[in-house]
Amino acid sequence: AQSVTQLDSQVPVFEEAPVELRCNYSSSVSVYLFWYVQYPNQGLQLLLKYLSGSTLVKGINGFEAEFNKSQTSFHLRKPSVHISDTAEYFCAVSKIQGAQKLVFGQGTRLTINP
Amino acid sequence: EPEVTQTPSHQVTQMGQEVILRCVPISNHLYFYWYRQILGQKVEFLVSFYNNEISEKSEIFDDQFSVERPDGSNFTLKIRSTKLEDSAMYFCASRSGTGAGETQYFGPGTRLLVL
Repeated sequence: AQSVTQLDSQVPVFEEAPVELRCNYSSSVSVYLFWYVQYPNQGLQLLLKYLSGSTLVKGINGFEAEFNKSQTSFHLRKPSVHISDTAEYFCAVSKIQGAQKLVFGQGTRLTINP
Repeated sequence: EPEVTQTPSHQVTQMGQEVILRCVPISNHLYFYWYRQILGQKVEFLVSFYNNEISEKSEIFDDQFSVERPDGSNFTLKIRSTKLEDSAMYFCASRSGTGAGETQYFGPGTRLLVL
């Protein structure tokens, strides 16, 4: 079975500061890794994903994440955040085979302060 | 841009009543999913559906739950006899099914409140 741990439930950051949202996973098989964002009163939107190849992946809205196999981590980063980045961020994994259901972490609420 | 839609956005029901949550996945997608998020908890997988049958389901998806694709466009989740603990946000998702690691596209959710 797969599991995902997001180490921070809430992260407050000042506008234009850098941010890192941490994600660790556990799996006995190879997985794909995803970051989704949920803005208030909206559904989940894909930010970026890692399937294979380069361990640094870039996504929408200036976000990027680095896959670290030895540490089983997939941390999300942005060098300079904006007020509009205020949202809930979810890390998720899926098995490579089969229905590819997503297994989510608990979510991290990112709050950007002016 | 195509999107997944869900109706209703909110549903209030009495314990023991049946509810049907509706989803219209993206046209030409082949894999469909239901997830739920109880307030303050993780988003949890319920069921996946492919080729007109369930391809995988979680422990949560017991006999009280069923899914159906009645007309080639809608994808429904039925809860036969709702319990208080079924109160949650229910998300529908779909993906095209043409390759591995595809993006699952989520709908805005239906907030279900069981009284």
